[in-house]
Amino acid sequence: DAGVTQSPTHLIKTRGQQVTLRCSPKSGHDTVSWYQQALGQGPQFIFQYYEEEERQRGNFPDRFSGHQFPNYSSELNVNALLLGDSALYLCASSQYRQGFGTDTQYFGPGTRLTVL
Amino acid sequence: ELKVEQNPLFLSMQEGKNYTIYCNYSTTSDRLYWYRQDPGKSLESLFVLLSNGAVKQEGRLMASLDTKARLSTLHITAAVHDLSATYFCAVDPQGTYKYIFGTGTRLKVLA
Repeated sequence: DAGVTQSPTHLIKTRGQQVTLRCSPKSGHDTVSWYQQALGQGPQFIFQYYEEEERQRGNFPDRFSGHQFPNYSSELNVNALLLGDSALYLCASSQYRQGFGTDTQYFGPGTRLTVL
Repeated sequence: ELKVEQNPLFLSMQEGKNYTIYCNYSTTSDRLYWYRQDPGKSLESLFVLLSNGAVKQEGRLMASLDTKARLSTLHITAAVHDLSATYFCAVDPQGTYKYIFGTGTRLKVLA
């Protein structure tokens, strides 16, 4: 059973460019969350997708947008990149259960984005 | 402001010793999660604590939750080198799905 997968593994961009990161959830999971982890910090919640809609959003500007597809995979888009966007971007998947909420999140290996 | 604080931030300990990592949070949360992260790697789920008084153990690690005190502990028994990693706690404030992670505790177990 494949776990959470992310692509690409590493990415180098320049300021002002746009980037798209991809995530495939663990089999059987329908909820995908995205996190930004700066070096030496804990992950920061960006947003969560469920049933192809953004269910919750953290304190990130509109430059950060996302999408979830019918097969539950997801994309994270970042426009007008800034130097401060350099970080490890983690995708996590989980299964939503009615009356319980989401269960344990399983994290992917991450995409390391460097903005020059 | 919602905060999740861990202490200590850094912990260097000898093999065979016991120690406890503390996680305090400032908002109501019925669930608390513990994760492990090795350098350059992703996060591995260790424990999910779902209610007040919950205690879970796996190997040399034991986690507990006191929702009234808004405190969780991760206790390490007879540490071994393989436990060296960064440990994060996280909460789901009032079931909003906006998971908030702590600052992390970087643990180094010395042989």
